[in-house]
Amino acid sequence: QITLKESGPTLVKPTQTLTLTCTFSGFSLSTSGVGVGWIRQPPGKALEWLALIYWNDDKRYSPSLKSRLTITKDTSKNQVVLTMTNMDPVDTATYYCAHSYLGMQLGILRAGDYWGQGTLVTVSS
Amino acid sequence: QTVVTQEPSLTVSPGGTVTLTCASSTGAVTSGYYPNWFQQKPGQAPRALIYSTSNKHSWTPARFSGSLLGGKAALTLSGVQPEDEAEYYCLLYYGGAQQGVFGGGTKLTVL
Repeated sequence: QITLKESGPTLVKPTQTLTLTCTFSGFSLSTSGVGVGWIRQPPGKALEWLALIYWNDDKRYSPSLKSRLTITKDTSKNQVVLTMTNMDPVDTATYYCAHSYLGMQLGILRAGDYWGQGTLVTVSS
Repeated sequence: QTVVTQEPSLTVSPGGTVTLTCASSTGAVTSGYYPNWFQQKPGQAPRALIYSTSNKHSWTPARFSGSLLGGKAALTLSGVQPEDEAEYYCLLYYGGAQQGVFGGGTKLTVL
C-alpha cells in the first residue's frame, strides 16, 4: 500500500524559506522509474506542477519557479524535501507530494498515481 | 511560458456522454506529452484517472476513457453518474518528460 504525507510549517513570513518534507511508504525511491513530485494549489485555484525527483537523482523543475526551488531525496529515510525560497503571499497554497512512475522503454508516464493529503501553507506577516 | 487550456466548465445530464479536452499552446498534443488526467472533488486531493493518453489505473471506472482528438488530449465520460461531478485536470509533460504543466481545470456539472 503506497502512502505519502506532507509535513512542514503551516505559516511562513514573506521572504522566508519554506521547507516541506514528503514521507512515504509502500515503495522505494531507489527503484528504477520511480519519482516523487510536488504540486501546489492556491485556494480556489488550479493545480500547479512544481518539481519532481527520480530514482536516479534526476531533478525536474517548473521553469517559472526553478530559481526558487530545490528538491532532494533521502532514500534511506523514504523522504523527499522541497525548499522554496523568498516566499510571498501569492505562494499561499495547499502543497501536495505525489508518486510517479516513468517507464521509458514502455513509453509511459504514470504521473501522480498516489497523492498525499496535502498541507496548507499560508504566507503572511 | 507554456499554457495548457481546458474548458472552464461543462454540464452534462446523468447517463449522458461528455468529452473534456486539453490543448497545448505549443501546438498539437501527441502521446509524447504523456497526457494524464485527474479528478478532484472539493476538499480532497486529486485522484489519477488516466495516464499516458489512454491507460486506465486499476481504480478507474470503465466509463472514463482517454484519447487524442483533433490535436488535443481528451477525456470522455460515457454514462455519466452524479458522483462524476467534480473538477478535472489534465497534465502534459514537455521536453521529453522534463517538466509538467497542468491545465486550468474543467468544472463538470451533472444536472
